[in-house]
Amino acid sequence: EVQLVESGGGLVQPGRSLRLSCAASGFPFEDYAMHWIRQIPGKGLQWVAAISRNSAGIEYVDSVKGRFTISRDNDNKSLYLQMNNLKADDTGLYYCAKDSYYDTSGYPDFWGQGTQVTVSS
Amino acid sequence: DIQMTQSPSSLSASVGDRVTITCRASQGISNSLAWYQQKPGKAPKLLLYAASILESGVPSRFSGSGSGTDYILTIGSLQPEDFATYYCQQYYSTPQTFGQGTKVEIK
Repeated sequence: EVQLVESGGGLVQPGRSLRLSCAASGFPFEDYAMHWIRQIPGKGLQWVAAISRNSAGIEYVDSVKGRFTISRDNDNKSLYLQMNNLKADDTGLYYCAKDSYYDTSGYPDFWGQGTQVTVSS
Repeated sequence: DIQMTQSPSSLSASVGDRVTITCRASQGISNSLAWYQQKPGKAPKLLLYAASILESGVPSRFSGSGSGTDYILTIGSLQPEDFATYYCQQYYSTPQTFGQGTKVEIK
């Protein structure tokens, strides 16, 4: 059974940092690209970043470029999102999602339950 | 970025009704379209991909069609467990983008 468990969310002040983690199990993690997608109340779903199976391909939405870094550890079956210089607009529920393919050209086919990030002073 | 526009934003329907939801892309996406169902407090669940291919385990009352910029999700006979919010998503180009969602409510 595929499982994705996110952690690391919380309440943080604007300008501070947070690191999200996603622990994967139930599938060959090293064979699939992975995504971070956030859900913002009133604004729906927003794709944030994706990473290919071997980390050679990495992509970001423009609003987080230069502030967020996606990475993975295939040995430990884990996905990460380092978020720096956080802004109020980054508030939302952050989902880790498995891609259907080995690079980032596929679609998310399984999502974790999410971890809440709240940026507020 | 490709903009995805869903309609309607909400609808009321009865059990047994046929329901259609439309998704329009701001440019052609070559059938690189997925549909998701989300229930309150739960993560989105994949229903269809490549516009019309049913994900394994998804009931056959769900179907998808379309091409170019216009796509449709159809629920053939609405069941009680289908009341949820539905999203389309294009994966034709980065950034992947989602429609704003269609909430299907009980009439």
